[in-house]
Amino acid sequence: AQTVTQSQPEMSVQEAETVTLSCTYDTSESDYYLFWYKQPPSRQMILVIRQEAYKQQNATENRFSVNFQKAAKSFSLKISDSQLGDAAMYFCAYRSARMKGTALIFGKGTTLSVSS
Amino acid sequence: AAGVIQSPRHLIKEKRETATLKCYPIPRHDTVYWYQQGPGQDPQFLISFYEKMQSDKGSIPDRFSAQQFSDYHSELNMSSLELGDSALYFCASSLGGQGSYEQYFGPGTRLTVT
Repeated sequence: AQTVTQSQPEMSVQEAETVTLSCTYDTSESDYYLFWYKQPPSRQMILVIRQEAYKQQNATENRFSVNFQKAAKSFSLKISDSQLGDAAMYFCAYRSARMKGTALIFGKGTTLSVSS
Repeated sequence: AAGVIQSPRHLIKEKRETATLKCYPIPRHDTVYWYQQGPGQDPQFLISFYEKMQSDKGSIPDRFSAQQFSDYHSELNMSSLELGDSALYFCASSLGGQGSYEQYFGPGTRLTVT
């Protein structure tokens, strides 16, 4: 079974600084997808960024970028120029590509606080 | 852009009662997922449907059942409610076709069992 591990329960960053959230996963599959979701206090789950395992190029979405190391099974999220609105719980998630409708498997999450 | 709609947003039930949660996916999305998130926990997958057929199954109690209808909306039926069922229930939707794999979440239904 696949597992996702986020080893940092809490992280903090100052406005305008850069922070990196860690995520590792375990799988025997070769084809899968990885995601980072943001959950602010409203508890809405917001998709931040996604990565296809077959792509070597790291995904980037504005201030958010990932460092995807397939051999090491590592998928970290870098937030540049941090803003107060980035404060939230961040979940790393794995999804198998083996069939349609497969579930997201989440890590335990990292709470990010941003100070001014 | 249209998002996933869930109703009701809040629900209070007593132990042993029944609850029905509804989910309306993003237009043209054919796959629906249900997740349960307890306080301070990560979302746990319950069940999913693709083209009205059950696609994947997670840790869904036998007291719960779900289905996807011809218009692609889905309902999660929960019977004999227990205190431990109090949680935030998310519905997510996606396009099940090749190359479309992102799941978009609704705002959730907060269920409180007293």
